[in-house]
Amino acid sequence: DVKVTQSSRYLVKRTGEKVFLECVQDMDHENMFWYRQDPGLGLRLIYFSYDVKMKEKGDIPEGYSVSREKKERFSLILESASTNQTSMYLCASSRTRNEQYFGPGTRLTVT
Amino acid sequence: SQQGEEDPQALSIQEGENATMNCSYKTSINNLQWYRQNSGRGLVHLILIRSNEREKHSGRLRVTLDTSKKSSSLLITASRAADTASYFCATGPSGGSYIPTFGRGTSLIVHP
Repeated sequence: DVKVTQSSRYLVKRTGEKVFLECVQDMDHENMFWYRQDPGLGLRLIYFSYDVKMKEKGDIPEGYSVSREKKERFSLILESASTNQTSMYLCASSRTRNEQYFGPGTRLTVT
Repeated sequence: SQQGEEDPQALSIQEGENATMNCSYKTSINNLQWYRQNSGRGLVHLILIRSNEREKHSGRLRVTLDTSKKSSSLLITASRAADTASYFCATGPSGGSYIPTFGRGTSLIVHP
């Protein structure tokens, strides 16, 4: 079974802190994604990576950066957390033109 | 950008009834996927239908795709309380970077 794991299920951070969200997949997928999910807004793509060290901005990249140094790991970084970044963060991986496999999500609260 | 739009936004039915959800999209696609999300969890892939397919079945799930109308439907037959979840469609574009786009989802409640 494909497994996508995320470093934390719940996270509470203070405004201005640097936050790292880690995602690891074990199926050698070339594509990895970070989404945030907010009530009524569905899933919005933050960043996408199609290979090691490669990344593309999604719909809402402002305030976020990403890192993909190894194929299995895709990190989302909030350089200076703000309260409007309180959300559910979902990581996913896939082979190109195939279904995505999602992690369990990280519910981040910024106070 | 969200291309797929699910309809209805919310659906409430009794156990044993069928549930039908629809998805409309705007541009040409390579495939369309349906996912389920239980409250507070990640999404789980249910079924993928390619643009050259018209219908696909998986257990109690039936998905149809009409590329001329740019729409898809997901039918869950003989629903169970455990089917209570949000259901999302995601469209995989036919060109450029393959970045699936998700709709806002249909919230399904199945009453026991």
